[in-house]
Amino acid sequence: SQQGEEDPQALSIQEGENATMNCSYKTSINNLQWYRQNSGRGLVHLILIRSNEREKHSGRLRVTLDTSKKSSSLLITASRAADTASYFCATADNYGQNFVFGPGTRLSVLP
Amino acid sequence: GAVVSQHPSWVICKSGTSVKIECRSLDFQATTMFWYRQFPKQSLMLMATSNEGSKATYEQGVEKDKFLINHASLTLSTLTVTSAHPEDSSFYICSARGSGWDGTKNIQYFGAGTRLSVL
Repeated sequence: SQQGEEDPQALSIQEGENATMNCSYKTSINNLQWYRQNSGRGLVHLILIRSNEREKHSGRLRVTLDTSKKSSSLLITASRAADTASYFCATADNYGQNFVFGPGTRLSVLP
Repeated sequence: GAVVSQHPSWVICKSGTSVKIECRSLDFQATTMFWYRQFPKQSLMLMATSNEGSKATYEQGVEKDKFLINHASLTLSTLTVTSAHPEDSSFYICSARGSGWDGTKNIQYFGAGTRLSVL
């Protein structure tokens, strides 16, 4: 069964605005990762946050992890049209294996 | 960063023929590779986990005789769709797990995907 659920399924914003995507999961994890997929392409790894971490930054990306709520969020600040893509969260179990991807959020950034 | 090359990127074939897709890790050794299938606007569905030198582990519902996986070296895994039919048309993506002691083993590096169209 699918581990993660992303919310919202689709998000449309104006360039310059911030975009927030959420991910929930069901079982204990070793780490949670966010990936980006441009239409018709493979996935690109964005950021990994370990279960003992609460927040992580990478450029315009900010990821939070709340293990008590079994949820994570991805914030993209000052969005650009080039950020238009699908974003997936993926969890790894306590052994760092068994990746499970959520259904993804389709982000559209309008110029 | 780690690069995974997947080939071909797009293939059209006739029903009943077999198609081979290659997945190579270019600058690192990958003891484990993964094969996914993705339908339009949906998430990735894991088909099988491929370990170098051993038989692949298939997910429930995936026909191992239909989707043959070979992982003969630390840098190459292949997926062969045998006797392809129109319902096999999909986007297939491979990934390789990093092998670094610094935690990159937790990260999957993805190929660009192969779009298969079976006529």
